[in-house]
Amino acid sequence: DQQVKQNSPSLSVQEGRISILNCDYTNSMFDYFLWYKKYPAEGPTFLISISSIKDKNEDGRFTVFLNKSAKHLSLHIVPSQPGDSAVYFCAAWSGSARQLTFGSGTQLTVLP
Amino acid sequence: KAGVTQTPRYLIKTRGQQVTLSCSPISGHRSVSWYQQTPGQGLQFLFEYFSETQRNKGNFPGRFSGRQFSNSRSEMNVSTLELGDSALYLCASSLIAGGEAFFGQGTRLTVV
Repeated sequence: DQQVKQNSPSLSVQEGRISILNCDYTNSMFDYFLWYKKYPAEGPTFLISISSIKDKNEDGRFTVFLNKSAKHLSLHIVPSQPGDSAVYFCAAWSGSARQLTFGSGTQLTVLP
Repeated sequence: KAGVTQTPRYLIKTRGQQVTLSCSPISGHRSVSWYQQTPGQGLQFLFEYFSETQRNKGNFPGRFSGRQFSNSRSEMNVSTLELGDSALYLCASSLIAGGEAFFGQGTRLTVV
């Protein structure tokens, strides 16, 4: 039972345009959500997070939106750069379960 | 300060053998979690240790075990290796459980 789902395994975007990565979850008890970026042969690196009590968090080119009623969050990257090409993982933290649950990842390719 | 260090980076073992992977967290971090990454499956949670105690365990067979030492370094052990255990094993440390997790580069285990 996948509690965190990333339904798009891959996404291609032109440099300078917006990249939108999506994530759905089923557990309404998650406390906050995180996005990680992963390059090949490296561990995931933290990108941005959002508390379950907020609906938007922005950090430079990265903005995460949370829609609790739809149990959906998205990561917007504007403008997209070739260096953003990586696998992006959505993750959700449950304090009661003491566990970070990851989605299966989306491979973002930014074309020059 | 130094990041999360995992050793070895690469490992080849044969079926039936056992393996021990090591993780040194960021200095001062007391929470260490382990994940298995396989293609298309994202990061699957193995277990979390905090102050030498296993606080949570994922849905993996008993062949997967771990421990944490008083200096917060952690090891995970897999006994009676199977071909399906081939994966990237990632360790993450955080200051507190549920805090922002910092990942190591992982250990690529290949079982032949």
